[in-house]
Amino acid sequence: GENVEQHPSTLSVQEGDSAVIKCTYSDSASNYFPWYKQELGKRPQLIIDIRSNVGEKKDQRIAVTLNKTAKHFSLHITETQPEDSAVYFCAAHNAGNMLTFGGGTRLMVKP
Amino acid sequence: SAVISQKPSRDICQRGTSLTIQCQVDSQVTMMFWYRQQPGQSLTLIATANQGSEATYESGFVIDKFPISRPNLTFSTLTVSNMSPEDSSIYLCSVWASVLSGADTQYFGPGTRLTVL
Repeated sequence: GENVEQHPSTLSVQEGDSAVIKCTYSDSASNYFPWYKQELGKRPQLIIDIRSNVGEKKDQRIAVTLNKTAKHFSLHITETQPEDSAVYFCAAHNAGNMLTFGGGTRLMVKP
Repeated sequence: SAVISQKPSRDICQRGTSLTIQCQVDSQVTMMFWYRQQPGQSLTLIATANQGSEATYESGFVIDKFPISRPNLTFSTLTVSNMSPEDSSIYLCSVWASVLSGADTQYFGPGTRLTVL
């Protein structure tokens, strides 16, 4: 089955700096890669996603890149703000219609 | 997007008892899933709830422990049976639904925080 590895597990940045979270996946048939943000005590919220037919997608301060050959994808957050502090999960979706999640990254943005 | 509600939002239960969690979606969806999120951990898929047939369970999860119902395309229940403290987790309902662009994505319910004493 699919295996998704996520790094780092914790990330601390200064407000205004950029944050990068990286994920690798094992199943070359995976074709959809969402990123979720989970604040304490709340549900995971989709923040951005990318499908296998594109290499990059951007939404304001958030961008995701995908390298299908290397089977890795990354989340980039620019100009970080304290409200970006949360746990971020990457996931990979395969033809079996299931999402496999990475282990999560706890991002702390220091004011 | 899909609006998903879960009941109860939280509960504290005694070991050996069972709890049924309900998930209601505001539109018909084909795919519904149940996840478990243990404290400080990632999300683990328990099973896919199939409408009109038995749920499909992931490795490590069995029907006797986590019976699931899916009577229609907007509703599902997950029961946590014969609970032990190790079952203390957040249980999340999730669905695939279409966004405005027509593509599908996965949404999560607010979760049920279960504590077993």
